Amino acid sequence: DGGITQSPKYLFRKEGQNVTLSCEQNLNHDAMYWYRQDPGQGLRLIYYSQIVNDFQKGDIAEGYSVSREKKESFPLTVTSAQKNPTAFYLCASSLGTGQRYGYTFGSGTRLTVV
Amino acid sequence: KNEVEQSPQNLTAQEGEFITINCSYSVGISALHWLQQHPGGGIVSLFMLSSGKKKHGRLIATINIQEKHSSLHITASHPRDSAVYICAVRSKGGSQGNLIFGKGTKLSVKP
Repeated sequence: DGGITQSPKYLFRKEGQNVTLSCEQNLNHDAMYWYRQDPGQGLRLIYYSQIVNDFQKGDIAEGYSVSREKKESFPLTVTSAQKNPTAFYLCASSLGTGQRYGYTFGSGTRLTVV
Repeated sequence: KNEVEQSPQNLTAQEGEFITINCSYSVGISALHWLQQHPGGGIVSLFMLSSGKKKHGRLIATINIQEKHSSLHITASHPRDSAVYICAVRSKGGSQGNLIFGKGTKLSVKP
């Protein structure tokens, strides 16, 4: 079955370390997105990519970096510059970025920085 | 004020009850999404609508563009419906791909 795979489900890192979250899709979707979810808040967009080798900053991109070398993969790196990295991270994809396209979401990665 | 407001924040129902979750928004939109987030965190897309009404099984979503309001209804609720329901809008003036999310409504259905 097609879908989005995020790994790992839980991730623990020491403060000051960079960490990379994986997101892979086999839906042949062009667009991919990374969102951050904090308790009591709506999801916020970190980065999105409309096509391979292209990506754009979202509302809260500071302290994060991404790459899109393959259509299927959109890894997110949480750098040491991110002030409050502990959060739930969700990856999503869509066939395109036009308004008529729906979204498919992954199951998320819960990152805890200690 | 948030651009997308959901009510109620929390909802407890008995199995079999009819449930309504509301979403109001303040921006012009091109589409509205209803999402379901399971306790483990994964999100499933339920509906995407830009006008009228959609139905899937026991779920019904309606939208009134003039009043900037949408409702999600669950008929004959069941404990497996317990989840967080999230409303998200695609604003007309927003950057491509950017949804504006509500904070969610946590639904608990008791047997």
